[in-house]
Amino acid sequence: GAVVSQHPSRVICKSGTSVKIECRSLDFQATTMFWYRQFPKQSLMLMATSNEGSKATYEQGVEKDKFLINHASLTLSTLTVTSAHPEDSSFYICSAMPMETQYFGPGTRLLVL
Amino acid sequence: QKEVEQNSGPLSVPEGAIASLNCTYSDRGSQSFFWYRQYSGKSPELIMSIYSNGDKEDGRFTAQLNKASQYVSLLIRDSQPSDSATYLCAVTVNAGKSTFGDGTTLTVKP
Repeated sequence: GAVVSQHPSRVICKSGTSVKIECRSLDFQATTMFWYRQFPKQSLMLMATSNEGSKATYEQGVEKDKFLINHASLTLSTLTVTSAHPEDSSFYICSAMPMETQYFGPGTRLLVL
Repeated sequence: QKEVEQNSGPLSVPEGAIASLNCTYSDRGSQSFFWYRQYSGKSPELIMSIYSNGDKEDGRFTAQLNKASQYVSLLIRDSQPSDSATYLCAVTVNAGKSTFGDGTTLTVKP
């Protein structure tokens, strides 16, 4: 299957700082990528759809000014959690869809102290 | 009503048994159907995709789709302890984002 990578895999930061997470499609071009968040023992929650060369589409209830998404190339989308707080601690997962099938990155575990 | 519903579980089966996971969806325009497996602390990985009515087999896994009943299932034959995970059903209407169920947690007991 298609390969999607994420970096970093784990990050610990202090409250109030910003954290950037990268999502890359390694063997295909992705005009669209998706960002999910998952809290422990809960289901995946779609945060936003990242569109190459245009603004991201955010799901209802997701603060676009807090979760900045940039999809600057066909292989890279970034999610920046601005002014992170402990309640933002979660597992962030990106995905991309070559040929109508969604493939997930390995995820980034964020811990905000 | 949720767009994609799965058995809440947890589901427990003995090693070697058949595990049956079920999923129903509400949008009759749905075209693509997927099963993902998610181990604790890991991201989901694709197991099966199915697009037309009937059965699709891949090793110990069989996906079944019935569009008239808006139902898709996953059967795992000869279940192994390594199959213990949460299984996510996903449905796509167009070639766009998928809608995921909440998942069913499966435990295979040795």
